[in-house]
Amino acid sequence: GENVEQHPSTLSVQEGDSAVIKCTYSDSASNYFPWYKQELGKRPQLIIDIRSNVGEKKDQRIAVTLNKTAKHFSLHITETQPEDSAVYFCAVTGFQKLVFGTGTRLLVSP
Amino acid sequence: GAGVSQSPSNKVTEKGKDVELRCDPISGHTALYWYRQSLGQGLEFLIYFQGNSAPDKSGLPSDRFSAERTGGSVSTLTIQRTQQEDSAVYLCASSSGEGSPLHFGNGTRLTVT
Repeated sequence: GENVEQHPSTLSVQEGDSAVIKCTYSDSASNYFPWYKQELGKRPQLIIDIRSNVGEKKDQRIAVTLNKTAKHFSLHITETQPEDSAVYFCAVTGFQKLVFGTGTRLLVSP
Repeated sequence: GAGVSQSPSNKVTEKGKDVELRCDPISGHTALYWYRQSLGQGLEFLIYFQGNSAPDKSGLPSDRFSAERTGGSVSTLTIQRTQQEDSAVYLCASSSGEGSPLHFGNGTRLTVT
């Protein structure tokens, strides 16, 4: 089945810095790549997604880039703020189901 | 409905008892997923439904776990003879199909004493 690896597992940055989280996947047929944010005690919520026919997508301070040849995609958060602190999960469509990465705990210090 | 609804929100049960967790997906969503999340951990895939059928049950941890979906809508996850290691948050999510965003419910926090 699909295998998704996510790095780093934890990431600490200062407010205003950029944060980058990377995921790699195994199935070259995968075509949908969402990112979810989970705040403490809350449910995961979609923050941005990208499809395989697009290389990059931006939404304000958040961007996702996709390299289909290398089978990896990354989440970029610019000008980080304390409220960005959360666990971030990447996901990949594989064999008709969504497979999640293991998560990255992002801590933004004021 | 406005979102994915799960019940109960919290369940405390004694070891050895059976429990049923319910998920009511967003109206019209054909795909439904169950995940398990232990404290501070990731999203462990349990089972996936497309309509009423379950093409992938590979994540169910043991034969004590089962799930069904009727009418292409509500799903129940049943855990028989609960064990302490079953304690976790059980999350349900639905989507309108492959390649569509997944919408999560608030989860059921299960505690087995």
